Amino acid sequence: NAGVTQTPKFRILKIGQSMTLQCTQDMNHNYMYWYRQDPGMGLKLIYYSVGAGITDKGEVPNGYNVSRSTTEDFPLRLELAAPSQTSVYFCQTRDREKGELFFGEGSRLTVL
Amino acid sequence: AQRVTQPEKLLSVFKGAPVELKCNYSYSGSPELFWYVQYSRQRLQLLLRHISRESIKGFTADLNKGETSFHLKKPFAQEEDSAMYYCALSNQGGKLIFGQGTELSVKP
Repeated sequence: NAGVTQTPKFRILKIGQSMTLQCTQDMNHNYMYWYRQDPGMGLKLIYYSVGAGITDKGEVPNGYNVSRSTTEDFPLRLELAAPSQTSVYFCQTRDREKGELFFGEGSRLTVL
Repeated sequence: AQRVTQPEKLLSVFKGAPVELKCNYSYSGSPELFWYVQYSRQRLQLLLRHISRESIKGFTADLNKGETSFHLKKPFAQEEDSAMYYCALSNQGGKLIFGQGTELSVKP
């Protein structure tokens, strides 16, 4: 039982490049989230999904896209990387019944 | 708009002193509120949720709809309570947002 698997752990991008952060879970949770965490700013919600085929914007969605074709996978896409997207990104699932959160290890992204 | 505010970035108390970590929210519907804790080098874990009305590790939190607050309290702080604490709000559609977090430091 792997929980939430998030890749890559580290990535350096040049301005204008694109990339996808992968997130996979094996707990059959319907609720999945992508957050970014900047120093002193807490967790900001980028996008979330309450089930396969359903996604919705969070607090800071600009510059990102997501898809949810299966319950297990919730990739986050950066189309044109910008320095403002330098951050640590966390994928998360939530057990709707108990309120428990399950986080991926985080992905540290630097855009130069 | 859905918003969570934790006004204190850092709260420092002595062991045995009472602790109150403040959380105010903005939401027009019926919110579901949580407190999460992150100990050093560990992942976020659930501490409390308002619908369960439990006391975990001596912490309690009461939802005050009139003041739109969900403050976290403990009568006697312990050194092992030192951690980052995040208040979070979920709407009925599943959206979950966090406050900025409060670092609690309990000194011996």
